[in-house]
Amino acid sequence: GAGVSQSPSNKVTEKGKDVELRCDPISGHTALYWYRQSLGQGLEFLIYFQGNSAPDKSGLPSDRFSAERTGGSVSTLTIQRTQQEDSAVYLCASSPGQPGQPQHFGDGTRLSIL
Amino acid sequence: RKEVEQDPGPFNVPEGATVAFNCTYSNSASQSFFWYRQDCRKEPKLLMSVYSSGNEDGRFTAQLNRASQYISLLIRDSKLSDSATYLCVVNRGSAGKSTFGDGTTLTVKP
Repeated sequence: GAGVSQSPSNKVTEKGKDVELRCDPISGHTALYWYRQSLGQGLEFLIYFQGNSAPDKSGLPSDRFSAERTGGSVSTLTIQRTQQEDSAVYLCASSPGQPGQPQHFGDGTRLSIL
Repeated sequence: RKEVEQDPGPFNVPEGATVAFNCTYSNSASQSFFWYRQDCRKEPKLLMSVYSSGNEDGRFTAQLNRASQYISLLIRDSKLSDSATYLCVVNRGSAGKSTFGDGTTLTVKP
């Protein structure tokens, strides 16, 4: 497809388990963002990849969170030892990475920790 | 102070009303500006870019004031379908990160 693709759409897991969320950006987009959004709240920035530069990890809430982007394309956000407060919608966005170009979002992954 | 600030609202207006939202930003080096719309339990979607000279798209007008470091969105003749959260976005340019405001909630009532 032409848009940002995220998988899975929904994930329910038990507290303490590890989860992996996947984002497939729009082809050719060099910038990729991960955000988290709790119900009724604004977007919380997590991490930003831009081309071959070192990622901006300043938004990751703890060392249980990590993300990688392989080959400048697909990205995986990993949450280790999940906690109930990790329950949220995780949104991925990509952009061409040039000034003046907006981000395009995927549908998100709704994560529920039991 | 947050890098991008918006009045959270909610703004409750009747159909047909004109409503305006402001968004202030703190980084004077910011270069690109956007308004997004987010419906409940959906992902944000681009509404319009904001250009230096101001721009209009149908009932929507966006303006940028660099001197005072704010952008605005004006919605004329509000429709019920305009009910949503409106997010402003500021980008530092030169491959810099974009920052979202927390959004302003608009409810248009019959």
